Amino acid sequence: QSALTQPASVSGSPGQSITISCTGTSSDVGGYNFVSWYQQHPGKAPKLMIYDVTYRPSGVSNRFSGSKSGNTASLTISGLQTEDEAHYFCSSYTTSSHVVFGGGTRVTVL
Amino acid sequence: QLQLQESGPGLVKPSETLSLTCNVSGGSISSRSYYWGWIRQSPGKGLEWIGSMYYSGNTYYSPSLKSRVSMSVDVSKIQFSLKLNSVTAADTAVYYCVRHDPLANWFDPWGQGTLVSVSS
Repeated sequence: QSALTQPASVSGSPGQSITISCTGTSSDVGGYNFVSWYQQHPGKAPKLMIYDVTYRPSGVSNRFSGSKSGNTASLTISGLQTEDEAHYFCSSYTTSSHVVFGGGTRVTVL
Repeated sequence: QLQLQESGPGLVKPSETLSLTCNVSGGSISSRSYYWGWIRQSPGKGLEWIGSMYYSGNTYYSPSLKSRVSMSVDVSKIQFSLKLNSVTAADTAVYYCVRHDPLANWFDPWGQGTLVSVSS
């Protein structure tokens, strides 16, 4: 099962908005609204930021939002802050192996 | 607040079996809504789902690891376990235990992770 495709890195200045893409196929991202996003700071465990494409768990800042169009899901971080600097991974249900992750995107705050 | 904590050897020899346990606190492992799973992350690499299981024993595994993986749960001890046999250096990774929503397919919370190295 190939990993979902994410850009290796995305950067932005404080206060700006950035968007991370996550591209799959009709067998995963495009076929189901079961896309989730995780934030991982160095040396820490991943943290759930978005589930079911657009939903935020309790406690997650509303600066984080998710969307999907066709086979591509996106995570947008608005009002970028220094603490947002981390790796971000997407995940989706997939018919072939239940779960597939993206390769991860490093977000840098300039 | 639900918390998960992995434990087990940090070093395993090639061809042997990797064994890890996840202790669950602050909640019930017998929840009807969730599965309990394992995810690993090779050094500097992405995430790989290993498998998940229900408290009753129902399991499903990643097809790529299915032949080498087994999982079990001990409801009385509020813990679940992972065994991965015939390990190689490619199995060196940080292993995380997680709660898994099997319908929406999200993972939360995660344990802190434990590094397992495969080396002679």
